[in-house]
Amino acid sequence: GAVVSQHPSWVICKSGTSVKIECRSLDFQATTMFWYRQFPKQSLMLMATSNEGSKATYEQGVEKDKFLINHASLTLSTLTVTSAHPEDSSFYICSASGQSGYEQYFGPGTRLTVT
Amino acid sequence: KQEVTQIPAALSVPEGENLVLNCSFTDSAIYNLQWFRQDPGKGLTSLLLIQSSQREQTSGRLNASLDKSSGRSTLYIAASQPGDSATYLCAPNRDDKIIFGKGTRLHILP
Repeated sequence: GAVVSQHPSWVICKSGTSVKIECRSLDFQATTMFWYRQFPKQSLMLMATSNEGSKATYEQGVEKDKFLINHASLTLSTLTVTSAHPEDSSFYICSASGQSGYEQYFGPGTRLTVT
Repeated sequence: KQEVTQIPAALSVPEGENLVLNCSFTDSAIYNLQWFRQDPGKGLTSLLLIQSSQREQTSGRLNASLDKSSGRSTLYIAASQPGDSATYLCAPNRDDKIIFGKGTRLHILP
């Protein structure tokens, strides 16, 4: 099956700093990438959808100025959490799809802890 | 707005039993539906993908069925093993948006 990687797998940062998470499709071209967030003992919640070369579409309640998403190529999307606060501590997972209506492949996730 | 409900929320059964996990969703206009497992603190492992035109898919001891018109899917696990202990997530895909249920936490007792 297709492989999606994320980097880093975990990160600790101080409150007020920014942190960037990368999502890469390793063996296919991802026209669309998705970012999810999962708080402890909760299910995954879709944050935003990004198509290569265009602006991301954010779900209701997700601050676009705080969670910057860039999908500059068909194999890479980045999520930057700006001015991170402890409440942003969460498990962030990306997924990628090669074509509309097709299977989404999920990355292994990035655990962010903001101190 | 798609809403996904998974029943039961938690399940503990002795090793060797067959079991059924249920999923219902409110918007039946889906492309496909995936079942995932998630181990504590880990990412997702895709188990089965059923396209909207399909009724079921099988992989080893797992069988997933889909009744799109009624908005239901079930995951059947045969001859359960302690290694099957995990949270199982149902994920219908509508317009490329996957909405996850809260999952069923499964514990297989040795």
